[in-house]
Amino acid sequence: EADIYQTPRYLVIGTGKKITLECSQTMGHDKMYWYQQDPGMELHLIHYSYGVNSTEKGDLSSESTVSRIRTEHFPLTLESARPSHTSQYLCASSDLGTGNNSPLHFGNGTRLTVT
Amino acid sequence: AQSVTQLGSHVSVSEGALVLLRCNYSSSVPPYLFWYVQYPNQGLQLLLKYTTGATLVKGINGFEAEFKKSETSFHLTKPSAHMSDAAEYFCAVRTGTGGFKTIFGAGTRLFVKA
Repeated sequence: EADIYQTPRYLVIGTGKKITLECSQTMGHDKMYWYQQDPGMELHLIHYSYGVNSTEKGDLSSESTVSRIRTEHFPLTLESARPSHTSQYLCASSDLGTGNNSPLHFGNGTRLTVT
Repeated sequence: AQSVTQLGSHVSVSEGALVLLRCNYSSSVPPYLFWYVQYPNQGLQLLLKYTTGATLVKGINGFEAEFKKSETSFHLTKPSAHMSDAAEYFCAVRTGTGGFKTIFGAGTRLFVKA
């Protein structure tokens, strides 16, 4: 059973709408991540956070923004959704306190479709 | 810079046959290596991770991976495929530099035929 939760699982929304994808984890992990996943492609890191009030952009440019006000919560926001934002968004967390080979723990993802 | 190459976007095997999924990495420093599995409509789950000093790493569901530094490879194997192994498999690398970011390969979809 996942200890990291993403809502909604599926979202279909019209162009220009503002959306927030929620991600919460109950493991007390300091590091959290957002990945974008398209079919047949590698996961692309779009945002990450080392802890509260820390956010960084990842390797793939994204028009989304994130916030980290609480350790357990790492929401992703799109101010104005476009069809090019259609994708699956995966949230993950890790505990680097257990070593550099600590794995990522993933949520089940949010599949976003912008019409 | 780190990178991960998974050879073969699709692999098809018969039930009971050997599973071999290939992964090569490039890293300027000793890497931390992982295999993840993704079932339909789910996130990724850890299959196994490389531990420094070990060459053969055992994971869940009968999977194992062999680390070969000379070949910069970390191939995933399972002696006998089961129908439930059908999924997408991702190889990933992380180094201590670059903010501990994890880089993923493009994935290999495993099909298991009855």
